[in-house]
Amino acid sequence: GQQLNQSPQSMFIQEGEDVSMNCTSSSIFNTWLWYKQDPGEGPVLLIALYKAGELTSNGRLTAQFGITRKDSFLNISASIPSDVGIYFCAGLRTYKYIFGTGTRLKVLA
Amino acid sequence: GAGVSQSPSNKVTEKGKDVELRCDPISGHTALYWYRQSLGQGLEFLIYFQGNSAPDKSGLPSDRFSAERTGGSVSTLTIQRTQQEDSAVYLCASSLGGLVGNEQFFGPGTRLTVL
Repeated sequence: GQQLNQSPQSMFIQEGEDVSMNCTSSSIFNTWLWYKQDPGEGPVLLIALYKAGELTSNGRLTAQFGITRKDSFLNISASIPSDVGIYFCAGLRTYKYIFGTGTRLKVLA
Repeated sequence: GAGVSQSPSNKVTEKGKDVELRCDPISGHTALYWYRQSLGQGLEFLIYFQGNSAPDKSGLPSDRFSAERTGGSVSTLTIQRTQQEDSAVYLCASSLGGLVGNEQFFGPGTRLTVL
């Protein structure tokens, strides 16, 4: 099925470092969502973005809805060990959510 | 409960058996989705419900897969004559079902293992 291009695929970072990941698409979306999935659990919604250019924060997380409506990025500041997991972006067009391929984040203490 | 619930959390079955997976969406959510996630992979869309009808079944991999939703609430995903390649985590999600500002919330998933 259709998926968004999400990068990087995986990353190892040191605790305390900032992290940045992004999603791009050839199509526009009405809404962008960012999720985190821990092993053995379902994805948990982190941030939802509704307007082109919108910048939204949730604690150490900041996400932006690209001006072109075709991309979004997620930043995590001052990473901690519990940030480890898989981060997925999702774009919504009418009723359908298209998911990114995921970014696997590993934080080294 | 306040969130999406799924049962069972784990299911081990023998090849050729039928299985039923259940999803209880968040109360008031009219849209319900089923996804499949193979080990280490992304989310594969299976089917979308709006109320009790399924306007998009395009992701169901074969006619062995079917789903229904009753009362605009609980949904059941049925896999007949299971095969080993059906082994995966099956995730259910729900949302309010409008066109704007629509956040989708996931259940914990059912891990299916076909021996």
